[in-house]
Amino acid sequence: KAGVTQTPRYLIKTRGQQVTLSCSPISGHRSVSWYQQTPGQGLQFLFEYFSETQRNKGNFPGRFSGRQFSNSRSEMNVSTLELGDSALYLCASSFPANTGELFFGEGSRLTVL
Amino acid sequence: GENVEQHPSTLSVQEGDSAVIKCTYSDSASNYFPWYKQELGKRPQLIIDIRSNVGEKKDQRIAVTLNKTAKHFSLHITETQPEDSAVYFCAASIGNDMRFGAGTRLTVKP
Repeated sequence: KAGVTQTPRYLIKTRGQQVTLSCSPISGHRSVSWYQQTPGQGLQFLFEYFSETQRNKGNFPGRFSGRQFSNSRSEMNVSTLELGDSALYLCASSFPANTGELFFGEGSRLTVL
Repeated sequence: GENVEQHPSTLSVQEGDSAVIKCTYSDSASNYFPWYKQELGKRPQLIIDIRSNVGEKKDQRIAVTLNKTAKHFSLHITETQPEDSAVYFCAASIGNDMRFGAGTRLTVKP
């Protein structure tokens, strides 16, 4: 079974631009969560989607948004990029019948110049 | 939302010693407490988890304890080995809303 796939793996943007990151979950997994990872801040929760609906949301500004498609693939978008948005963005999928293990992708490393 | 605090942020031990990482959570409704290990340049991976109806769980050299009354849980690693060196994250979740601590960088010195 293929793991969680994130694209692109690396990207460089400049302040003010926007970026879209993609996540393909493990086949059969319908819940997708997004996290921002920065040194010293750990894994900060962005949002969680299930069946194309955002069920949970973290404390990030409205510049951070996401969506999920009918095939469970998910995208997140960051508009008007700031230097502080530089981070590793991790996507994780889970089989949502019960609370359980998150399976992480390798992440998309975003650098904002 | 849930708030998880994790201590210490860094931990250095000699090979063969034990390591303990502690976490507290704020929402008494949290019912699932996993621990993830992230090696350098790799994705976080689950190493052990515990549910709110269990007080302790052990898997070889790794054990986790949960005190629901005090809202804290701990990871214990015995007989540490150099390959245990990594960043460890605790988490607490309500349903599929999982929140993580800031991580502990464990270094095991040979």
